[in-house]
Parts: sequence; structure tokens; C-alpha cells
Amino acid sequence: EVQLLESGGGLVQPGESLRLSCEASGFTFSNHAMSWVRQAPGKGLEWVSAITGSGGNTYYTESVRGRFTISRDNSENILYLQMNSLTDDDTAVYFCAREASHPYLDYWGQGSLVTVSS
Amino acid sequence: ENVLTQSPGTLSLSPGERATLFCRASQSVRNSYLAWYQQKPGQAPRLLIYGASSRATGIPDRFSGSGSGTDFTLTISRLEPEDFAVYSCHQYDTKHTFGQGTRLEIK
Repeated sequence: EVQLLESGGGLVQPGESLRLSCEASGFTFSNHAMSWVRQAPGKGLEWVSAITGSGGNTYYTESVRGRFTISRDNSENILYLQMNSLTDDDTAVYFCAREASHPYLDYWGQGSLVTVSS
Repeated sequence: ENVLTQSPGTLSLSPGERATLFCRASQSVRNSYLAWYQQKPGQAPRLLIYGASSRATGIPDRFSGSGSGTDFTLTISRLEPEDFAVYSCHQYDTKHTFGQGTRLEIK
């Protein structure tokens, strides 16, 4: 059974940093690209970042480029999102999701809440 | 960016009725790289449809998707009580973008 479990969320002040983790199980982790998708309170889904299965290529939405870094540890089956210089607009539930061969998102974690507030 | 616009914003129907949800893209979605997700409060999105019309594993056949180019439709043929949720479309042709969601509520 495919499982994705996020952790690392919490309350931080503007300008601070946070690292999210997503532990994967039930599939061959290195065979799949992975994405982070966020959802601000009461809003729709917003794709944030993606990384290929090998970790060799990464992609970001424009609003986080230069502040967020996606990475993965295929030996430990963990996906990361390092978030720096956080702003109020980054407040959201962050989901990790597995990309299928055509990159729709076939499995999602339960999400981790990040709140940026002074 | 390929902007997806969903309509209606809210749909009020009764169990047993047919639901039709729309998703319009600002640019053509090549290869029908369009998916639909269901999301209930406090839960993660659940993949329903990919490739515009293919049902994901375990999804009941009352859910169907259609469309191509810029116009896509999700149809729920006979609503069950557990189908009342928010539905979002997603294009994965050019990076990833999502629609703002349609809330399907009990009338």
C-alpha cells in the first residue's frame, strides 16, 4: 500500500525557515518523480515544486523560486522541502504527492500545516 | 501559465441526481493531460480521473470524464451521499496548474 507521511510543519515568524519531510513507503521511491502542492486556508490547490526520480532535475513555481529547495534521499525514501524567507502568503497545508508516469498525482499524503505569522 | 477555470463555483443537488462539472483551460491541454480530484474537509485530494477520461484505480463507474483541448467535463451519474465534496481539475501538460474547485453540496 502506497503511503506518504508529511512532517515538519508548524508556526514560524515571517523571514524564518522550515523544512518539511515526506516519508514514502509501499512503492519503489526512486522510480517516481514527486511533487509538493499547497493549499492556503479556504483556497484551491497550488503546485509548488517537483523533483525527478533521480533527483537530478527540480522545478518550482515562480513565487517560491530562490526561497524553497526540493530534494530527496532515495536511500531513506524521504522527500524534503526546505523553505526559507517565509512570508504570510506561504501559510498553507503542504501535501507531498507521487507523480505517475504521465505526471498526474496519483497518491497524496495527508498534509502538513505551515503557518507564517508574527 | 495555463489557467484553469471551473464552473459552477457551487453546485447544489440531491442524492440520486446527475452532476456535471466543467473545467476550461486558457490554453489547449495537449494529450488530454487533465485530471480530476475529489477532496473532503481535512483530507488529501483523491485522484478520480486522469488523461481526461480514464478512471483511477477503485473509482466507481458513476464517475466519468470527457473533453479535449480547452474544455473538460466531470460527470457523476447518480450522486451518492459520500460524493458531496470539492472537485478540482488539474492540467499536467505544461508544469502543473489547478482549477479553483467546485463545491458539490447537498440541496
